[in-house]
Amino acid sequence: DVQVLESGGSLVQPGGSLRLSCAASGFIFTNFGMSWVRQAPGIGRGLEWVSTISSGGGSTYYADSVKGRFTISRDNSKNSLYLQMNSLRDEDTAIYYCARQSDSSFTYFDPWGQGTLVTVSS
Amino acid sequence: EIVLTQSPATLSLSPGERATLSCRASQSVSSYLAWYQQKPGQAPRLLIYDTSNRATGIPARFSGSGSATDFTLTISSLEPEDFAVYYCQQRITWPLTFGGGTKVEIK
Repeated sequence: DVQVLESGGSLVQPGGSLRLSCAASGFIFTNFGMSWVRQAPGIGRGLEWVSTISSGGGSTYYADSVKGRFTISRDNSKNSLYLQMNSLRDEDTAIYYCARQSDSSFTYFDPWGQGTLVTVSS
Repeated sequence: EIVLTQSPATLSLSPGERATLSCRASQSVSSYLAWYQQKPGQAPRLLIYDTSNRATGIPARFSGSGSATDFTLTISSLEPEDFAVYYCQQRITWPLTFGGGTKVEIK
């Protein structure tokens, strides 16, 4: 089974830092790009793409809302994806999903993990 | 940034009825549009990619159409498990963007 499983979400104060992890299994990790997508909690809150990294890690892409504060990385020897989040703001509060690129395209997401909740609050 | 606008925000239908969901882009995305389904408490799932291609394991009652700026997801006959929120997403340019979602609820 293809699976991705996030961890690392927690309550953090504004201005603080947090590192999310995503463990992948059931597929050849080095063949796929990976992404983070977030969703603010609450009914009716939409999806926001955060960041994407290529299969080899050489190319990274960020949403303007996180550029300069978040860093995506991967360790292909550990089948793991990471998101280092610095200078956190209230508006970064969200469920963060790890997603593999789909079989059809680098920039579609399939499958997704179950998400990890990041709460930024004092 | 390409803005995707989904309509309606909520669609109230009965099982067995046909659902038609719209996604409009602020500029052309060619055919590079996907649809996802999200059920409460679950992660999104890819349904349709590149406008009209069903993802692996997606039933034939789901179909997509459109081009450039106007796209449609059709569910030919709603099953109980289809009541969910649906999002469109474009991949023609960075940043990747999603629409705001359409909730398909039981009437």
